[in-house]
Amino acid sequence: LAKTTQPISMDSYEGQEVNITCSHNNIATNDYITWYQQFPSQGPRFIIQGYKTKVTNEVASLFIPADRKSSTLSLPRVSLSDTAVYYCLVGDSLWGGYQKVTFGTGTKLQVIP
Amino acid sequence: DADVTQTPRNRITKTGKRIMLECSQTKGHDRMYWYRQDPGLGLRLIYYSFDVKDINKGEISDGYSVSRQAQAKFSLSLESAIPNQTALYFCATSDPTDTGELFFGEGSRLTVL
Repeated sequence: LAKTTQPISMDSYEGQEVNITCSHNNIATNDYITWYQQFPSQGPRFIIQGYKTKVTNEVASLFIPADRKSSTLSLPRVSLSDTAVYYCLVGDSLWGGYQKVTFGTGTKLQVIP
Repeated sequence: DADVTQTPRNRITKTGKRIMLECSQTKGHDRMYWYRQDPGLGLRLIYYSFDVKDINKGEISDGYSVSRQAQAKFSLSLESAIPNQTALYFCATSDPTDTGELFFGEGSRLTVL
């Protein structure tokens, strides 16, 4: 079971790019890397998923180096509404389901005006 | 209407009472999950079900039971509630044929006095 480590909290000013790094040294060959966003009193929401290299969607980018032992979620030009907790998950969510995936404590991002 | 609906949204009960939290989904997913969230502890998996005939324990199943009444319905029961079961409970679904993305309900806040 791949364990993830990410910063507990981060602050950023509005309009800046935010990069949140997650380390997952024991990632397995079949594991994907998935990021979720959670606002207070709401369920987490899927942001992005990747296996290797770079993935980009309308919300964020995900950078994964060749060794896959870490990943970086990049949020371009954050706004106050991006204030949330961000979770990095590693596991075979596609085929094994989420019983093998652990939600850690996440990174609490505070965007400052 | 929400794709994943949880009832009740808030519940206050007393120690020793039996409580049921219900979850229904309109996404047509076979996989359903119950998570518990405590402040500062992220989300922890209680039970999961890959189809109507499949029920599995997660990492913190003691004190809980579940019932999968139909593909769309997955209920979590606390047979005899205790104060340390005070938490925010989330139901989720996933479809393994796509990204395996988890779709969460809005949560059920349970307080056990």
